[in-house]
Amino acid sequence: EDQVTQSPEALRLQEGESSSLNCSYTVSGLRGLFWYRQDPGKGPEFLFTLYSAGEEKEKERLKATLTKKESFLHITAPKPEDSATYLCAVQADNYGQNFVFGPGTRLSVLP
Amino acid sequence: DTEVTQTPKHLVMGMTNKKSLKCEQHMGHRAMYWYKQKAKKPPELMFVYSYEKLSINESVPSRFSPECPNSSLLNLHLHALQPEDSALYLCASSQMPQGAEAFFGQGTRLTVV
Repeated sequence: EDQVTQSPEALRLQEGESSSLNCSYTVSGLRGLFWYRQDPGKGPEFLFTLYSAGEEKEKERLKATLTKKESFLHITAPKPEDSATYLCAVQADNYGQNFVFGPGTRLSVLP
Repeated sequence: DTEVTQTPKHLVMGMTNKKSLKCEQHMGHRAMYWYKQKAKKPPELMFVYSYEKLSINESVPSRFSPECPNSSLLNLHLHALQPEDSALYLCASSQMPQGAEAFFGQGTRLTVV
């Protein structure tokens, strides 16, 4: 059965304490894996697109990587303003144009 | 410019009202989406329009009626909603075909009383 999962569900970090968020997927015919950041009450903000195993993308303190079964979002030396929910989503052959989202990881960075 | 504009930002409506949500993008994207998001849950797909034609309808109740008047605009007409329909409604757009990222609007916070 196709599915997208994320772990952990919630994560609390001290400012400067690096960590990684996980997105695992079991789909046939991956067309793209996408990372978004969402602040409370607002729409998801696009971060990265990954297409194939071994691909990496980087932006400021964030780095996204992709394997054949999972993606990681690495956060280096986070700041309180990085606190948000991080969502991964996939497009795959079985989903057509739909973006299927994982449940998200709620990140809190404490000063 | 990667902006998707949604109006209104907040909406309170009674169960007998008729209202519409509006969405606009000027990125030339030919796929447009409506998602529904409940608190602490991920967005769930409602409808997809591809090249102004409805391509996906995720078994949404008929009290929600989408409309795509042209390639830049997307509407969601609401009628006889229930309190459980209260949620954040998100519009998004992306290039066609599959594999391009979607850009989301800031959403409409809908409360049904």
